[in-house]
Amino acid sequence: AQSVTQPDIHITVSEGASLELRCNYSYGATPYLFWYVQSPGQGLQLLLKYFSGDTLVQGIKGFEAEFKRSQSSFNLRKPSVHWSDAAEYFCAVGALTGGGNKLTFGTGTQLKVEL
Amino acid sequence: DTGVSQDPRHKITKRGQNVTFRCDPISEHNRLYWYRQTLGQGPEFLTYFQNEAQLEKSRLLSDRFSAERPKGSFSTLEIQRTEQGDSAMYLCASSLVDRRQSSYNSPLHFGNGTRLTVT
Repeated sequence: AQSVTQPDIHITVSEGASLELRCNYSYGATPYLFWYVQSPGQGLQLLLKYFSGDTLVQGIKGFEAEFKRSQSSFNLRKPSVHWSDAAEYFCAVGALTGGGNKLTFGTGTQLKVEL
Repeated sequence: DTGVSQDPRHKITKRGQNVTFRCDPISEHNRLYWYRQTLGQGPEFLTYFQNEAQLEKSRLLSDRFSAERPKGSFSTLEIQRTEQGDSAMYLCASSLVDRRQSSYNSPLHFGNGTRLTVT
């Protein structure tokens, strides 16, 4: 079965500093990988996704992620964090089952931005 | 595109009562998913529909849970004889998939969820 590990429960960065959120996955085949962001009381918004091809994926809001098969990782990065980026971030791996988007999520990383 | 809508936003109920949640997906989306998210955890897959057909159910979906999507548009999730362990955020998501593309090229659009508290 697939699984996702987000080792950092909480991260605090200063506004303008760079950010890297870690994600490690376990999956028996080629993974389909996603990063979502969730603000308090809100649903999840897709930041970016990796299906195949270029291992460096660009997303919305200035985020990017790099797929590293050898490390089973899909870390999320942003060169300069804005106060509005404070939220919870979830990494997810997709399983092709019956053609559906059955996603397995990590436990999330809560990002706090200090002004 | 009005997004995925879920109703109610919050529900407080006593143990043993039945509750029903509604999800209205993005109108042209043919797939609809239910996820459950407990405090401090990521969302967990419960079930999904392709049009009106329920194609997969997680083992998390006990016999007390039932989901329907009768006309391939909105969906309902009913929990019978609620237990305190059912307290969670129930998230609905939808996507559009056609035969010409991989399902993974259609991302999930999530609603804001229904927060259930069982006392």
